[in-house]
Amino acid sequence: AQSVTQLGSHVSVSEGALVLLRCNYSSSVPPYLFWYVQYPNQGLQLLLKYTTGATLVKGINGFEAEFKKSETSFHLTKPSAHMSDAAEYFCAVSGDSGGYNKLIFGAGTRLAVHP
Amino acid sequence: KAGVTQTPRYLIKTRGQQVTLSCSPISGHRSVSWYQQTPGQGLQFLFEYFSETQRNKGNFPGRFSGRQFSNSRSEMNVSTLELGDSALYLCASSLVGGSNTEAFFGQGTRLTVV
Repeated sequence: AQSVTQLGSHVSVSEGALVLLRCNYSSSVPPYLFWYVQYPNQGLQLLLKYTTGATLVKGINGFEAEFKKSETSFHLTKPSAHMSDAAEYFCAVSGDSGGYNKLIFGAGTRLAVHP
Repeated sequence: KAGVTQTPRYLIKTRGQQVTLSCSPISGHRSVSWYQQTPGQGLQFLFEYFSETQRNKGNFPGRFSGRQFSNSRSEMNVSTLELGDSALYLCASSLVGGSNTEAFFGQGTRLTVV
């Protein structure tokens, strides 16, 4: 079975500061990993994904994440936070459902950005 | 191109009633998945349909069911509603539905059971 743990349900940063959202996964098969963002009263938007190949993945809005198999981690970073980054972020894993589409989500991290 | 459309956006139902939610995927997408989002349980997978067949099912009671039509539109139904069914129900579509493909989410239907 697969699972995701997001460390820190709330993270607060200053505008312009580094954003670091932590995600650790558990998987008995090579995982596919995703980061999604959710704004209030909205659905989920994909920020980036790791499937195979390069372990440093760049996404939209200046976000990136690095897949570290030895640490079973897929942390999300952004060098400089913007007010518009305030939202809830979800890490997700898939890959052990016979090739079919099934995402297992972490509990989410709410990011606050203050001036 | 148009995104994933879920209707209605908001719904209020009474305990014991049933409800049907609708999802229109992105044109050309054949896989539709449904998720339930609650403050207590987070985002949980309900089921996935591909070419009118349910390929995957989450750990939910039989009161939760779904179907997919030949045009890939999908509906989910919840019978005998309970207070705990109050949630945001999200639909996601993807091109072919492989576990490494991107899922595009709709804005969700917020169901309140009173």
